[in-house]
Amino acid sequence: NAGVTQTPKFRVLKTGQSMTLLCAQDMNHEYMYWYRQDPGMGLRLIHYSVGEGTTAKGEVPDGYNVSRLKKQNFLLGLESAAPSQTSVYFCASSSGTATLGQFFGPGTRLTVL
Amino acid sequence: AQSVTQLDSHVSVSEGTPVLLRCNYSSSYSPSLFWYVQHPNKGLQLLLKYTSAATLVKGINGFEAEFKKSETSFHLTKPSAHMSDAAEYFCVRMDSSYKLIFGSGTRLLVRP
Repeated sequence: NAGVTQTPKFRVLKTGQSMTLLCAQDMNHEYMYWYRQDPGMGLRLIHYSVGEGTTAKGEVPDGYNVSRLKKQNFLLGLESAAPSQTSVYFCASSSGTATLGQFFGPGTRLTVL
Repeated sequence: AQSVTQLDSHVSVSEGTPVLLRCNYSSSYSPSLFWYVQHPNKGLQLLLKYTSAATLVKGINGFEAEFKKSETSFHLTKPSAHMSDAAEYFCVRMDSSYKLIFGSGTRLLVRP
């Protein structure tokens, strides 16, 4: 049982390049989330999904797109990376109840030059 | 808007002394509240949670938190700090759509 995994762990992009971050969970969770973490700001929700085939915007969705084609995977895409998207990205999943909270992946450190 | 406020960006304690990390929330109802810990270059780990059961919640590694509705607080405490407790701690609430709202974090430093 691997929990929540993220690929890649590190990435450096040039401004304007595109990339996709992959999140996978093996806990059969309905809900999945993408956050970004910046110094002094905690984690902020980018997009989330309440089930396969559904996505919704979070607090800071601009410049990102997501897809949830399979229940276990949640992809975060950057179509044209900007330096402001330099951050650490965390994926999380949950069963959709308050009692268990959310389970987080190890994070992806992205630098945009 | 629902929010979480962590009152201290940094807290420094000596090993063996008590830890107090402060958190206040804004809400018109009793929320679901959590404390997460993040060690350097690591992901987030759930320490404990409050979901409207007992107001004193015990978590892992000797941490506990007390939900006080009258003060809208959910402070995290530990009787005796250990060097391995040095990390960043996040107070978090869950909104009605099961999304998490994070505080800005408190970095705990433990001096030998």
